[in-house]
Amino acid sequence: GENVEQHPSTLSVQEGDSAVIKCTYSDSASNYFPWYKQELGKRPQLIIDIRSNVGEKKDQRIAVTLNKTAKHFSLHITETQPEDSAVYFCAASKNTGNQFYFGTGTSLTVIP
Amino acid sequence: DTAVSQTPKYLVTQMGNDKSIKCEQNLGHDTMYWYKQDSKKFLKIMFSYNNKELIINETVPNRFSPKSPDKAHLNLHINSLELGDSAVYFCASSPKGAVTYGYTFGSGTRLTVV
Repeated sequence: GENVEQHPSTLSVQEGDSAVIKCTYSDSASNYFPWYKQELGKRPQLIIDIRSNVGEKKDQRIAVTLNKTAKHFSLHITETQPEDSAVYFCAASKNTGNQFYFGTGTSLTVIP
Repeated sequence: DTAVSQTPKYLVTQMGNDKSIKCEQNLGHDTMYWYKQDSKKFLKIMFSYNNKELIINETVPNRFSPKSPDKAHLNLHINSLELGDSAVYFCASSPKGAVTYGYTFGSGTRLTVV
């Protein structure tokens, strides 16, 4: 089955700096990679996703990159704000599968 | 309208009791899931139903039994609760077989076993 690894497990940045979270996956058939943000006491919510036919996707201050050859993908948050503080999860799935495989989460703290 | 709703939001109970958590989605999705999130925040899949049919049944104690009366509902019954069952349980749904479109999670049920 798929194995998704996520690093780092914790990340602290100063407000205004950039944050990068990296994930690797093992199944070359995986073709969909969503990122979820979970604020304290809340549900995980989809913030951005990327499919295997695209190398990069951007939505305002958030971007995701995908390297299919190396089987890794990353989340980039620019100009971080305190409200970006949360746990972020990467995940991987494929058309023929029936679940997401989640990474272990990154706890991001943005220091004002 | 809440797309995926879970009840109760909080559940405190004693060891040995039996309890149920209910989940309902109004998105018209065919597939529903139960996830357990422990204190380290790891999201571990427990069960999945596709249109009332069990399709994922991970290594979970048989004290946990899911039930899906229809494709909009997936309930979780837990017998003989143990301290280690304390966690947040999330229900989620997705379109049929389309795990490439993202999950919608419920708000979670925080279970505390004392």
